[in-house]
Amino acid sequence: NAGVTQTPKFRILKIGQSMTLQCTQDMNHNYMYWYRQDPGMGLKLIYYSVGAGITDKGEVPNGYNVSRSTTEDFPLRLELAAPSQTSVYFCASSFRDPGNTIYFGEGSWLTVV
Amino acid sequence: GQNIDQPTEMTATEGAIVQINCTYQTSGFNGLFWYQQHAGEAPTFLSYNVLDGLEEKGRFFSFLSRSKGYSYLLLKELQMKDSASYLCAVDSNYQLIWGAGTKLIIKP
Repeated sequence: NAGVTQTPKFRILKIGQSMTLQCTQDMNHNYMYWYRQDPGMGLKLIYYSVGAGITDKGEVPNGYNVSRSTTEDFPLRLELAAPSQTSVYFCASSFRDPGNTIYFGEGSWLTVV
Repeated sequence: GQNIDQPTEMTATEGAIVQINCTYQTSGFNGLFWYQQHAGEAPTFLSYNVLDGLEEKGRFFSFLSRSKGYSYLLLKELQMKDSASYLCAVDSNYQLIWGAGTKLIIKP
């Protein structure tokens, strides 16, 4: 089972550049999430989606955009990259009900220079 | 506000027992998760508690007291591979609130 797949795994961006982190899941989960994790810190929710066509902001949405055109895909767009966006990004998915496990992708290491 | 507290770092000896505490203050409660995260990897699910009491999964035990806003993860017979960060997360009104994680260092 592929689970949650995100690409790229590593990327270096210059300040002001834009890019898209891709995320796809094959578990038919309705919920999908994007988190960032800074060194020694917990996971911060950027955006989440409860189903195709529905997205909502998390704790730290500024500088990011998302879309959810299908159940499987949930790309994260970084516009005008800034050094503060240097972080590890995790895509994740789950079913709706409480207690359902969240499954994470392997992470994308992004450095903005 | 919503808050989850756990120790930043703990050290234990191979073969011993360690308890990682987590206290929380959240607006809602639909359960508490523990995740394990090895360095450079994604978090993986360890346990879920929604009722008070102790849950066992092999060498790992997770305890919850909702009235005290308190949970702990107990690891027995520590192995070197248990060196990782342990993340506590509360499902609060269907959104997960994450603690910063406890880095567990295992010494031979």
